[in-house]
Amino acid sequence: DIQMTQSPSSLSASVGDRVTITCRASQGISNSLAWYQQKPGKAPKLLLYAASRLESGVPSRFSGSGSGTDYTLTISSLQPEDFATYYCQQYYSTPLLTFGGGTKVEIK
Amino acid sequence: EVQLVQSGAEVKKPGESLKISCKGSGYSFTSYWIGWVRQMPGKGLEWMGIIYPGDSDTRYSPSFQGQVTISADKSISTAYLQWSSLKASDTAMYYCARSGRVDYFDYWGQGTLVTVSS
Repeated sequence: DIQMTQSPSSLSASVGDRVTITCRASQGISNSLAWYQQKPGKAPKLLLYAASRLESGVPSRFSGSGSGTDYTLTISSLQPEDFATYYCQQYYSTPLLTFGGGTKVEIK
Repeated sequence: EVQLVQSGAEVKKPGESLKISCKGSGYSFTSYWIGWVRQMPGKGLEWMGIIYPGDSDTRYSPSFQGQVTISADKSISTAYLQWSSLKASDTAMYYCARSGRVDYFDYWGQGTLVTVSS
C-alpha cells in the first residue's frame, strides 16, 4: 500500500497569508495526486488533480506542485472561506486509492 | 447538472443489516465509477471501494474487503453500500463520489450518517 503523510496536521493563519500544505507518498506516484477541501458538515470538494491541474471553478489562488514522492498545495492569499480541512489523495496505485490524514487550516 | 443524492441517516443496532444508496443524475451513470468513502467521527477520509455500474466491475480496499458489499442497479442509476452485520465501529459518515477512471473524485454525494448503537 502507498501511504500518504500530510504535514502539518493543523495550522493557524490569517486572512491574506500564503499557506503551504505538504503531502508525502511512501513511494513515487508520478503526479497522480488530487487535493480536496472539506468544510465542517459538508462533503469534500475537488480542488486539483494530476498534482497541479485546477478543477473547473476553483479559484486561482489555489495551486499545486511537486514530483516523485513530495507534493504541495499552496493558497496564495488565504480568504475567509478557505478555512477548512484539506486532504491529498493518490491514485497512482489504482484501483487502490489512499487519502492523506488531512490538514486543518484554522483562523489565527 | 451532475448530482449524487444519498439516502438518509440511519440508526441501527449491532448485528443488524443495512443498505444505503446513492442515486446519480445529470450524466451517463454507466460511464463513470462510483466510489464509497468512510469518515469516522472527527477523523479523515478512507476509501472503501468502487464500482463501475456499466458492468458492475467492483474493487475493494483490503481494509474493507469482506466487511461491506458494493453494488449498483444501472436501471435506476443507483449504487449501494451494504452491511450484513453492523458493528458499533461502523458508526460514520459515508460518502459516495464519482470517478472517471478509478482516480480522483470530481462529484460527491451529501453523505449518509450511519449510527450503530445498542
